[in-house]
Formats: sequence, C-alpha cells, structure tokens
Amino acid sequence: AQRVTQPEKLLSVFKGAPVELKCNYSYSGSPELFWYVQYSRQRLQLLLRHISRESIKGFTADLNKGETSFHLKKPFAQEEDSAMYYCALSGSEGAQKLVFGQGTRLTINP
Amino acid sequence: GAGVSQSPSNKVTEKGKDVELRCDPISGHTALYWYRQSLGQGLEFLIYFQGNSAPDKSGLPSDRFSAERTGGSVSTLTIQRTQQEDSAVYLCASSAKTGGRSNQPQHFGDGTRLSIL
Repeated sequence: AQRVTQPEKLLSVFKGAPVELKCNYSYSGSPELFWYVQYSRQRLQLLLRHISRESIKGFTADLNKGETSFHLKKPFAQEEDSAMYYCALSGSEGAQKLVFGQGTRLTINP
Repeated sequence: GAGVSQSPSNKVTEKGKDVELRCDPISGHTALYWYRQSLGQGLEFLIYFQGNSAPDKSGLPSDRFSAERTGGSVSTLTIQRTQQEDSAVYLCASSAKTGGRSNQPQHFGDGTRLSIL
C-alpha cells in the first residue's frame, strides 16, 4: 500500500535555527516524492521534488531509499517559512495521483 | 487563465441536496485531479482524468460522488444527497502531459469549501 507519514503535526522553531520536517513513505515500486507548501490564504503549491535535486527557498530534501524517507531541511529558518507543509508521493510512470501525508504546520518564531 | 480556477469558492447547502463543483484546469493540461481536504483526514485523492483514458475513480468514497470532464477541459464533481461528513475543501489540480518517466507537477486551485448543514 502507498502511505506517507509525517510524524509531526506541529513544529515550532526560532528564526535562524535549522529546521527539519520529517517524511517517511511506503511504496512497493519506484516512487516520486514531493513537498508541497500552503502559505496562509494561498493555494497549495509545489515546493520541490526529489528528481529535481534542487534547492528552493533554501529548502532541500534528499530521498533515502534505505530509510524510505524524504525529510525537508533548511539550515536557517525565516519567518516567511511559516506554513503548512505536505509530503506526497506518486508512482513514476506517467500522470498519477498524489498520496499525501497529514501535513506539518511549521511556525517560525521571531 | 494563469492557473486552475474553481467555482464556487464557498458552498453552503442542506443535508440531502445535490451539489456541483466546477474546475477549469490550466489550458493545455491533459491531466485533471480532484482531492478532498478535511479535518482529521488530510488530503485525499478522489478521481483523476488523463486525456481520453478512462478516469481513475478509485478514491471516490461512495456512489454518491461522480465526476465528468467534458471536451478534455472543464470538470464537474457532483455529490448527490449530501451528508454532513461531505463537508470539506474540494481541491482540483491539473498537470501537463508527461513526456517521460517523471510526473509533471500538479498545479492546484484555491478549492471549494463545502459546508453541509
């Protein structure tokens, strides 16, 4: 079965501190992993995807197939990073549905 | 338009009534998805359409839910005989045709907030 687990519903860190949002998954094939973000009063938007191997807004995420994890990291959190973050996976063949985690609400304290 | 458009943005209706939710995908996007975002359930997949292929309806929670996509563009999600547990935000997303093994990113609309009294 496809499943995405985000163990932290809420995460609060101080501005300038490192932040890590955890994501673990289960999938029998070769998945694609994504992080989506929803800022206050905005629509859900893609933050990054594992195949791009890029850093967006200072965030990075590495797919660890051994640990079936795709944790999102940023070395120095900013107040504007406060948002709801969703980890999601899909199959890798063509257009497929996303399976989302429950989401983590990140709050950056000044 | 610049993005996925959904209407109405809010819908309040009485239990037992039928509702229709509309989604206008990004022009040229061949894949269209419906998700539901509710308290305690997170984001759940409902149904998706890909070009002329048969839709994947595996996420529809009951036979009261149906969706169609006319002309490969606009989609309508219909909920018949609404129940209070149908209250949620219904999100639509679209993505471009995939040219290879990887999925194209899904672009989401603002959603329709449905409240069943």
